[in-house]
Amino acid sequence: QVHLVQSGDVVQKPGASVKVSCTVSNLPFSDYGFSWVRQAPGQGLEWVGWISGYNDNTQYAQNFYGRITMTTDTSTSTVYMELRSLRSDDTAVYFCATDNKWSPVGGDEHLDYWGQGTLVTVSS
Amino acid sequence: DIQMTQSPSSLSASVGDRVTIACRASQAIRDDLGWFQQKPGKAPRRLIYAASTLQSGVPSRFSGSGYGTDFTLTISSLQPEDFATYYCLQYNSFSLNFGGGTKVEIK
Repeated sequence: QVHLVQSGDVVQKPGASVKVSCTVSNLPFSDYGFSWVRQAPGQGLEWVGWISGYNDNTQYAQNFYGRITMTTDTSTSTVYMELRSLRSDDTAVYFCATDNKWSPVGGDEHLDYWGQGTLVTVSS
Repeated sequence: DIQMTQSPSSLSASVGDRVTIACRASQAIRDDLGWFQQKPGKAPRRLIYAASTLQSGVPSRFSGSGYGTDFTLTISSLQPEDFATYYCLQYNSFSLNFGGGTKVEIK
């Protein structure tokens, strides 16, 4: 059974950075891409970005340009999402999910397995 | 960006009812659309991809249809475990966008 296990909830101050991890098991890491999706309290879902487990290519949502970085560690089958210059409106649950290894658009292998979510709270 | 408009934003229905949720794209997206179910405090679960293909393990009372700009998710006979929020997602072009969600509540 495929598992995506995310790091624990975190509280950060405005202006700080956060790095959330997502460790994958029971699937061939380099055959997948991974998307991040966030959900502010009481709100809908927002796609944050994608990274390929095959070649480390990335695509980010325009809202996050310049302050987000996604990376992988193939030795531990782990995906990381770092968000910098945190603001109060970055407070949300962040989910990782499996995706297509070539692109988050086209094809059909999008968001079929999900992590449990990590609550990032930005507060002074 | 392609915008996704879901309707209604919420609905009340009874067990056994037929429920239909609509999703409209601001421009044509072929069949590059998925439907997701989310229960409170849980991660979303994919129900449908390619507009009409049922995800493995999802009950057959769920179905999807549509192509281009207009799509629907239908639950043929609502069950107690189906009370949740449903989202559509377009993955035709950047940036991926979800619809605003439809909360299905018990009447």
